[in-house]
Amino acid sequence: GENVEQHPSTLSVQEGDSAVIKCTYSDSASNYFPWYKQELGKRPQLIIDIRSNVGEKKDQRIAVTLNKTAKHFSLHITETQPEDSAVYFCAAIFHAGKSTFGDGTTLTVKP
Amino acid sequence: GAVVSQHPSWVICKSGTSVKIECRSLDFQATTMFWYRQFPKQSLMLMATSNEGSKATYEQGVEKDKFLINHASLTLSTLTVTSAHPEDSSFYICSARGGGGNTEAFFGQGTRLTVV
Repeated sequence: GENVEQHPSTLSVQEGDSAVIKCTYSDSASNYFPWYKQELGKRPQLIIDIRSNVGEKKDQRIAVTLNKTAKHFSLHITETQPEDSAVYFCAAIFHAGKSTFGDGTTLTVKP
Repeated sequence: GAVVSQHPSWVICKSGTSVKIECRSLDFQATTMFWYRQFPKQSLMLMATSNEGSKATYEQGVEKDKFLINHASLTLSTLTVTSAHPEDSSFYICSARGGGGNTEAFFGQGTRLTVV
C-alpha cells in the first residue's frame, strides 16, 4: 500500500517568515495530494490540493509543488502569521481511493 | 465545500457500554465514507472504509466486531464502539466522498470519546 512520510515533525518560524513542509510518497499511482490544517480538537480543513497533472498550485500565501518523478510534494506558506499555527497533514490518494496521511507537522509561528 | 456533520461532538461512557457515532453528509450523496481514529499528537489512522449498501472494509488490526460500521444510506454512516474500554478513548473522525471519481473528501467535526 501507499506510504507517506512527512518532514519536519515540528517547525517554528518567526512571524513574516516562510514555512516549508515536505512529503514523500511511495505509490507512483497516487494522483491526488491534499494538504490539511488541523487546529487542536477540530476537524482537518483542506487548505490546498494538487493533482498529478500539475506541477505547482498557488492560493494567496499558500502554494504546493509536486515532483512526480521524485515522488515528493511540498507545502509552502509565505508571510506566516500567528493564526497559521496548527498541525498540517499531507495525504496521497489514488483515484478516489482511501487517503494515506503523513504523520503531521506542528507549525508554530512566533509573533 | 460540502458539509459533513458528525454527532455527538463528545461523549463520556462507562467501560463495557456501547457508543454510537453518526456521520451525515448534508448536501451531497456520500457513496464512500471513511472512519479515522486520532490519538493525541498523532496522525489520522484509517479504521475502515464503507460504501453505501455494502459491508465495510476494515484496516489491518481493527476489530470489526468491536467497531461496527453501518452505511445504510447515501447520507448516513454510523460507527458503534461496542463494549468500550478506556483504551478506546480517542478522537474519532469521519470523512465522506461523493461518487463519480471525485477525490476530495470532507471531514466531520470529530467525536471525542472518553471511556471511564
